[in-house]
Amino acid sequence: DAGVIQSPRHEVTEMGQEVTLRCKPISGHNSLFWYRQTMMRGLELLIYFNNNVPIDDSGMPEDRFSAKMPNASFSTLKIQPSEPRDSAVYFCASSEPTGNLYGYTFGSGTRLTVV
Amino acid sequence: SQQGEEDPQALSIQEGENATMNCSYKTSINNLQWYRQNSGRGLVHLILIRSNEREKHSGRLRVTLDTSKKSSSLLITASRAADTASYFCATGYSSASKIIFGSGTRLSIRP
Repeated sequence: DAGVIQSPRHEVTEMGQEVTLRCKPISGHNSLFWYRQTMMRGLELLIYFNNNVPIDDSGMPEDRFSAKMPNASFSTLKIQPSEPRDSAVYFCASSEPTGNLYGYTFGSGTRLTVV
Repeated sequence: SQQGEEDPQALSIQEGENATMNCSYKTSINNLQWYRQNSGRGLVHLILIRSNEREKHSGRLRVTLDTSKKSSSLLITASRAADTASYFCATGYSSASKIIFGSGTRLSIRP
């Protein structure tokens, strides 16, 4: 397996533009997580899905952020409109059906810069 | 919000020495995990210890868990330059739920 695949690796956009981040989890993993990492706030859990269903989105900063998982092999995180304070590295992770007992597998992240 | 707090925030040691990092948390957990992050990369899962376990080993890694003190430690023995990275603890609350990461320890190994 190629692991968790995220795209794009880097994104630079202007304030006010829509940004879409993409994630392909490991086949057979039924849980998917979106995290954001910044120097100031560390690693923050934004939202997670079990079997394509959003379970906890309490970490989503505000209505400008939305996430979807239309099927077991694809998820998106959308920011509309984007703001400079959204600049961060966004990670997607997936885990096996037994939950987190074997740990998460992380993607390489998308580095987002909003100017 | 972060559940775990790591100590120290940064650690620099000589190659070959042992490195110890600590993690404290606030509420009861189901399991605690340690991850490594190399600069500019994603996190890599190292080891998981369940709340009913006290110690676990994996190669040069040794993890302990003291649920009465709500703390865990990660020991890396015989450190190597390749161990230079940030190390995070993460706490889980059930077998099928989210995990919350601590603030991390930046480990530097001097040649």
